[in-house]
Amino acid sequence: DTGVSQDPRHKITKRGQNVTFRCDPISEHNRLYWYRQTLGQGPEFLTYFQNEAQLEKSRLLSDRFSAERPKGSFSTLEIQRTEQGDSAMYLCASSQEGGPYEQYFGPGTRLTVT
Amino acid sequence: DAKTTQPNSMESNEEEPVHLPCNHSTISGTDYIHWYRQLPSQGPEYVIHGLTSNVNNRMASLAIAEDRKSSTLILHRATLRDAAVYYCILSESSSGTYKYIFGTGTRLKVLA
Repeated sequence: DTGVSQDPRHKITKRGQNVTFRCDPISEHNRLYWYRQTLGQGPEFLTYFQNEAQLEKSRLLSDRFSAERPKGSFSTLEIQRTEQGDSAMYLCASSQEGGPYEQYFGPGTRLTVT
Repeated sequence: DAKTTQPNSMESNEEEPVHLPCNHSTISGTDYIHWYRQLPSQGPEYVIHGLTSNVNNRMASLAIAEDRKSSTLILHRATLRDAAVYYCILSESSSGTYKYIFGTGTRLKVLA
């Protein structure tokens, strides 16, 4: 068990560009979550997958954001036409299905939009 | 969404117990209480969780008020490695997602 991994760890992009982040959860975990964390704040929920189905999306997830988990394994989060306000740490977490099991977090992808 | 409130920061001496408080007055009957901690440039790390009863594990203890409107994370003997931001979190079970609603966290400083 290598834990949750995220790639890249850091991304610097110019405003208006598209970016895509990848999350590889713990292999037997059905649930996958994306959170966003800005400086000095706690993480905020963005979206949730159970296997390949995206079952909940936060109001924070504007039309420029899209997430997928095509085969119920890894997930991608894409941001189109990035804005400076998108600068944040994007965290992925996974957990087992069936109850309030511990969510295991990855190290995050830090996005800086210039 | 239910919310939690925590002090912004606390200090403790090494080897002494630490009590980190959290208020969650709008908690619903099926929300679980979780505590995580986060070091700089790392993802949050699980500490403990509970529903109604007090809980103990190798890392800490969780004391939950009888009305569930507050809880306290207890680190029995603080070490320098315990310095981190501690988050008190509610997980919503009503929708079945168990998504986490984080508070703003308490930055714990441990003095040698």
